[in-house]
Amino acid sequence: SYELTQPPSVSVSPGQTGTITCSGDRLGDKYTSWYQQKPGQSPILVIYQDNKRPSGIPERFSGSSSGNTATLTISGTQAMDEADYYCQAWDGRNVIFGGGTKVTVL
Amino acid sequence: QVTLKESGPVLVKPTETLTLTCTVSGFSLSNPRMNVAWIRQPPGKALEWLAHLSSNDDKSYSPSLRTRLTISKDTSRSQVVLTMTHMDPVDTATYFCARMLGSVASISYFDFWGQGTQVTVSS
Repeated sequence: SYELTQPPSVSVSPGQTGTITCSGDRLGDKYTSWYQQKPGQSPILVIYQDNKRPSGIPERFSGSSSGNTATLTISGTQAMDEADYYCQAWDGRNVIFGGGTKVTVL
Repeated sequence: QVTLKESGPVLVKPTETLTLTCTVSGFSLSNPRMNVAWIRQPPGKALEWLAHLSSNDDKSYSPSLRTRLTISKDTSRSQVVLTMTHMDPVDTATYFCARMLGSVASISYFDFWGQGTQVTVSS
């Protein structure tokens, strides 16, 4: 079965750039979406179709994808960006989520 | 304004069947670009897709849970229902419904989520 692999945790200093990777076989041939989830809250879509940002999502969130890896980049990271982030892609008719990355801002 | 709201039992016993309802507003379940999915999250763990249902009643299920799941809808009541049979303590999780936007699966994404409903499986 298809799998998406994320690093369990990423630390980033305020104002710096943080990157979260998501790896899967030929992931660049698929569309990747990214979701932010804060404790006790529902996930929020922050990037869809690799690099598109929904209305209301700050410009500091960007996405890219190539080869076997999709990347979520947070530029000028703020304390409010501390959260879990999940990548998601499709394997045929099945939805696949990555294991999630906890982003700590310190 | 798009909203989704999950409802169902908070506690179920092992071997029982769970029935969850997702009531949507702000969009129609007959819109071909707007589908609804169920996703769950065990405590402290990752999101897990369970099933989704398209406007034309096409259904997809997680391969690992396929035999236990049934998804259906009542368009007139704007509701999508998920049943899961043979509940086990490992099924303890927060269950979310989400709107899946896109005309075909491969380009779709989850743009609105419900608040989730916590389900505990225990005798």
